[in-house]
Amino acid sequence: SAVISQKPSRDICQRGTSLTIQCQVDSQVTMMFWYRQQPGQSLTLIATANQGSEATYESGFVIDKFPISRPNLTFSTLTVSNMSPEDSSIYLCSVEDKVDRSWLAGYEQFFGPGTRLTVL
Amino acid sequence: DQQVKQNSPSLSVQEGRISILNCDYTNSMFDYFLWYKKYPAEGPTFLISISSIKDKNEDGRFTVFLNKSAKHLSLHIVPSQPGDSAVYFCAASRTLIQGAQKLVFGQGTRLTINP
Repeated sequence: SAVISQKPSRDICQRGTSLTIQCQVDSQVTMMFWYRQQPGQSLTLIATANQGSEATYESGFVIDKFPISRPNLTFSTLTVSNMSPEDSSIYLCSVEDKVDRSWLAGYEQFFGPGTRLTVL
Repeated sequence: DQQVKQNSPSLSVQEGRISILNCDYTNSMFDYFLWYKKYPAEGPTFLISISSIKDKNEDGRFTVFLNKSAKHLSLHIVPSQPGDSAVYFCAASRTLIQGAQKLVFGQGTRLTINP
C-alpha cells in the first residue's frame, strides 16, 4: 500500500494569507485527490490531480481559490488562497491504488495524515 | 444533497460484543462501497469494501453487508476491541472504466468500545 506524507501537519494562519500544502507519495501513482474535512463534517472532494494535466475541480471549488500543482507522479501541492476563517479544516490528500487481495476486485484510496489548518 | 448518510453520530459498545455501524445511500448509480476508520490526527485508514455484485464481504473481525434494494450497508465488528474506538466513515463510488473513482463520504460514526 502507498505511504503518504503531508507538510505541514498543522498551521495557524491569518486571514487573507495563503498556505501551500505538500503531499508526497512513496510510489508513482496516476491519480491523486485532495479532500477537505470541515469541523464535524464529512470528507469532501476538492479536486482530482493527474500528472501533466489540469486538476479537475468538484462543484463549489475553483482553481483561483485552491490552485493545485502535480509536477510528477509522486508529488502534489494544494494552495488555500486568500484564506478566511471558513477555510479552517483538515486538508487531506489521497491516492488510488490497486490492492492484491483475493476478495477485492476493485481499488481503494490511501490517505495522508492530513493538514489541520486554522485561520484566525 | 447528502448522497451517503450515517445517521448515528456516535455508538457505544461493550468490549467483546458486536458493533454494528449503518450507512444509507441515495444514488442508485453507486456500485462500490468502502469503510474507513479514522483516529484523531491521522488520515482515514481503509478497512473493507464491497462491490454491488456481492451482498457480503468478510475480513477477519470485520464484515460488510450490502442491501441494494434498501440502499443500505452495514459494518459488523465482532468481537469489538478497545482499539476499535475511532470514527468510522462509509464511502460510495460509481465504478468507471477510465478516470478517477470519486468517493462520496458519509458524516462518520464515532464508535467507543467500553472495557
